[in-house]
Amino acid sequence: GAVVSQHPSWVICKSGTSVKIECRSLDFQATTMFWYRQFPKQSLMLMATSNEGSKATYEQGVEKDKFLINHASLTLSTLTVTSAHPEDSSFYICSARGTGAWGGANVLTFGAGSRLTVL
Amino acid sequence: TQLLEQSPQFLSIQEGENLTVYCNSSSVFSSLQWYRQEPGEGPVLLVTVVTGGEVKKLKRLTFQFGDARKDSSLHITAAQPGDTGLYLCAGDKTGANNLFFGTGTRLTVIP
Repeated sequence: GAVVSQHPSWVICKSGTSVKIECRSLDFQATTMFWYRQFPKQSLMLMATSNEGSKATYEQGVEKDKFLINHASLTLSTLTVTSAHPEDSSFYICSARGTGAWGGANVLTFGAGSRLTVL
Repeated sequence: TQLLEQSPQFLSIQEGENLTVYCNSSSVFSSLQWYRQEPGEGPVLLVTVVTGGEVKKLKRLTFQFGDARKDSSLHITAAQPGDTGLYLCAGDKTGANNLFFGTGTRLTVIP
């Protein structure tokens, strides 16, 4: 089936540094990718929607200057947490919706998530 | 405010017991999906229901989509420790690009 690879799976950084998380669709073209944030024992909170070749659409309350999203190709989207602070520590998950051998327009495939810890 | 409310929020049961998780909304969805998520991993799709009143069975799991396509339920028979995890329902609305996730139900099955 459709596979989405998310990297890194976990990262620890110092406060004030920036961290980039990659999300790749391995066997299908992801026309749309979604980025979520998940706090412990809670559900997924949609942060933004990115479409290949255009600017991301951010959900209300999400700082677009802090969480930079780039969807430069049909198989790759990146989330950069800029000037990270301890309160940005969280589990970040991407998902991809697209077309291809495995992915249909209504198929949403999730990455394994990236745990960010900011010291 | 989330469109989909799940109940219960937490559930701890003994191995072998049955349980039902509910996913309710006042909105209509074109389809509804159930996911299970284990700690440190992304959600894994269990099932998609599309037709109002539809019932799908996946081994010991039975999923039902409400007639009005506003709610759904997940019933697990003879729960096993391997069923432990966070169960999420998610609705797909016509015209919307993203899924709307439920509030989640954390299930713990005690051996």
